[in-house]
Amino acid sequence: DQQVKQNSPSLSVQEGRISILNCDYTNSMFDYFLWYKKYPAEGPTFLISISSIKDKNEDGRFTVFLNKSAKHLSLHIVPSQPGDSAVYFCAADDMRFGAGTRLTVKP
Amino acid sequence: DAGITQSPRHKVTETGTPVTLRCHQTENHRYMYWYRQDPGHGLRLIHYSYGVKDTDKGEVSDGYSVSRSKTEDFLLTLESATSSQTSVYFCAISRRGAPPEAFFGQGTRLTVV
Repeated sequence: DQQVKQNSPSLSVQEGRISILNCDYTNSMFDYFLWYKKYPAEGPTFLISISSIKDKNEDGRFTVFLNKSAKHLSLHIVPSQPGDSAVYFCAADDMRFGAGTRLTVKP
Repeated sequence: DAGITQSPRHKVTETGTPVTLRCHQTENHRYMYWYRQDPGHGLRLIHYSYGVKDTDKGEVSDGYSVSRSKTEDFLLTLESATSSQTSVYFCAISRRGAPPEAFFGQGTRLTVV
């Protein structure tokens, strides 16, 4: 039973606009949620995390929002850049990952 | 970059043969993980280890076994490779701190023919 779900397999945005990637979870006991970015032929790399006691965490162009009542988190990238084109995975602190969302940022 | 190395990076093997993939770390992290990445499924956890000789099953452990006799090495064995095990395999390490950030290896592309 997948406890972390990413329901959008792909997203395409224009350079300079906002990218919003979504993730849903089922287990309210998770302490942390994390986002990873993956380029082709490379391993995933950690991007940003959020503690379950917070509702927002910001790091430069990347912001993660957590809505505990909806069991939903989202990653906002503003402004989006072509170099952000990658697959983004959300994960919970039990090291289970979502299926990923492929982001394409068009110049 | 975290010191984590996977070997081999590429392998082609025949159905029914045993295969062992190696993950080596120089970070002295307690936790190590094996994942497989397949289209439409993302990263799925196969097995993980929380210390020397301490391992547990993940989401897709059937057909796989692991061993960890030293902190730095985590081996994944396909006991009798099948075509459904053709995949890209990633190893990861973590201290399980706050946040429990993980570091991944470069991956091993395994093809079972």
